[in-house]
Amino acid sequence: ILNVEQSPQSLHVQEGDSTNFTCSFPSSNFYALHWYRWETAKSPEALFVMTLNGDEKKKGRISATLNTKEGYSYLYIKGSQPEDSATYLCAFGNQGGKLIFGQGTELSVKP
Amino acid sequence: EAGVAQSPRYKIIEKRQSVAFWCNPISGHATLYWYQQILGQGPKLLIQFQNNGVVDDSQLPKDRFSAERLKGVDSTLKIQPAKLEDSAVYLCASSLVSSGAGEQFFGPGTRLTVL
Repeated sequence: ILNVEQSPQSLHVQEGDSTNFTCSFPSSNFYALHWYRWETAKSPEALFVMTLNGDEKKKGRISATLNTKEGYSYLYIKGSQPEDSATYLCAFGNQGGKLIFGQGTELSVKP
Repeated sequence: EAGVAQSPRYKIIEKRQSVAFWCNPISGHATLYWYQQILGQGPKLLIQFQNNGVVDDSQLPKDRFSAERLKGVDSTLKIQPAKLEDSAVYLCASSLVSSGAGEQFFGPGTRLTVL
């Protein structure tokens, strides 16, 4: 059974702090790694889709890295803002389109 | 471009009752997914459609859950009869291509509470 693990489960930071989360996945048969952001009462929103070892992607203050050989991805948020408060999900994508999600990291940013 | 629409947004039922959820994907998206997200866990794929055919329903509890996608557009997910453990958010997603590297676009979900 393919397992995707995220850590930490929850994180409380102050506005302006930088933070990072980890997503671990099996390194064999890698196809794609997705990061989603899910705010309460809204739709999960795609942040990044990463397919190549060593990939680095950036969107504003959020960036992600990928290591397929060791099976992990990091998501970084620089200078956290209250509007960054959300659950961040990573998902392992197989060739057929199925996404296997981790349990998520719940981020709370206090002003 | 309109996003993925789902209804209802919230539903409260008694155990052993039936319930149905509706999803309208993004126009032109051939692949449609239903996920179940139980509190504290990540979303779990229940069923994947390619047009109106089923690609993967290996994790769908077929004794009580059913899903259809008539004419390859809208989809409904039904639970009959519901159990307490079915309390969850049911997410619908669609994608242009059926590939693990393709972005999936999610609806806002239906939050189901079974009492």
